[in-house]
Amino acid sequence: NAGVTQTPKFQVLKTGQSMTLQCAQDMNHEYMSWYRQDPGMGLRLIHYSVGAGITDQGEVPNGYNVSRSTTEDFPLRLLSAAPSQTSVYFCASSYFTGTGLSDTIYFGEGSWLTVV
Amino acid sequence: GESVGLHLPTLSVQEGDNSIINCAYSNSASDYFIWYKQESGKGPQFIIDIRSNMDKRQGQRVTVLLNKTVKHLSLQIAATQPGDSAVYFCAENNFGNEKLTFGTGTRLTIIP
Repeated sequence: NAGVTQTPKFQVLKTGQSMTLQCAQDMNHEYMSWYRQDPGMGLRLIHYSVGAGITDQGEVPNGYNVSRSTTEDFPLRLLSAAPSQTSVYFCASSYFTGTGLSDTIYFGEGSWLTVV
Repeated sequence: GESVGLHLPTLSVQEGDNSIINCAYSNSASDYFIWYKQESGKGPQFIIDIRSNMDKRQGQRVTVLLNKTVKHLSLQIAATQPGDSAVYFCAENNFGNEKLTFGTGTRLTIIP
């Protein structure tokens, strides 16, 4: 199984450019999320989705858009890239049990983004 | 101006010794806690979890301790190996809340 797949792995953008980070999972998970990881800090939640057609904001949503048209895909869009968005981005997925989110969250390998 | 990144707390342990990594959490409503291991250039990997109705849980070479009174979590790794070198994160959640909150992380280095 591929698990959670993120593309691209590395990207350099100029300030003001837009781009989309792709995330796909093949485990039929309802829950998908995007995190960013900055030096010396833990992962911070950007946006998340509990199912197709449903998205919500996390801790640091400004400057990012998401959509969830299918269960498999959860793209993250940077509308107008800024140097402050230089970071490593992780996509994650999981599923719901009767008592809430599953014990295990599956992470992608990460996307390294540099905005100059 | 140039920004300076924060440095992760670090812990260096001799190979074969035991290590203890600590984590403080802030939300008293959190009832589920997870430890993740992140190797360089990779995504976080699940290590072990614990629910708030427990104060200790053991896995293979790892033990998680939970002290709800002082909102403190620790990860003990026994007989450390070079492959244990990584950054370790704790994360907290509560049932029904889809937002997993991560701690800052600790860089563990195993000295051969």
